[in-house]
Amino acid sequence: QEQLQESGPGLVKPSGTLSLTCAVSGGSIRSSNWWTWVRQPPGKGLEWIGEIYHSGSTKYSPSLKSRLSISIDGSKNQFSLKMTSVTAADTALYYCARISPIGVIDFWGQGTLVTVSS
Amino acid sequence: QPVLTQSSSASASLGSSVKLTCTLSSGHSDYIIAWHQQQPGKAPRFLMKVEGGGLYNKGSGVPDRFSGSSSSGAERYLTISNLQFEDEADYYCATWDTDTRVFGGGTKLTVL
Repeated sequence: QEQLQESGPGLVKPSGTLSLTCAVSGGSIRSSNWWTWVRQPPGKGLEWIGEIYHSGSTKYSPSLKSRLSISIDGSKNQFSLKMTSVTAADTALYYCARISPIGVIDFWGQGTLVTVSS
Repeated sequence: QPVLTQSSSASASLGSSVKLTCTLSSGHSDYIIAWHQQQPGKAPRFLMKVEGGGLYNKGSGVPDRFSGSSSSGAERYLTISNLQFEDEADYYCATWDTDTRVFGGGTKLTVL
């Protein structure tokens, strides 16, 4: 069974860059799946950020697209998120997850809290 | 792009059944949706996917008490039977399109 583990700084300064990595174990990131990032502001619902295929193809949320970059490293079996020009509104739990070949998110990481504050 | 609508809250008694609803926006009534459970302080967990014809497929380890169905239109349902206190959680539906993925606002289920 696949497991996903997020890692990265828990505190980012306003106007800085948020960088997170998701390590995949128990399966290959080169399989027929897309890999996605989802976030959840404190006390609020889930928001899709973007996703990537092992070929490097990406899809991004229109509202975040100008600040996003998602990349993948097959040799390390991991994928990453970079979000620039962050503000307090970007404070959230960030989850990475696997998307099955039919399109549903079927495995979630445990999440990592990122706080944007000076 | 599709929009998903969920009631913000629901409640039911221990041992009873509850049916949660996720409604797809106009023009998207044939979309597949997924249900995810988020217990307090935990990450979401995939429960099942539900298709327009009512066919549903559960994730690994999801108890038999959980089932899915759909209406003849745009509603997708999650039914939980023999409610347990551990079922008290937020339940999100989700779907996707060619270039986007969306979540419903979530239903907070309280077990009385």
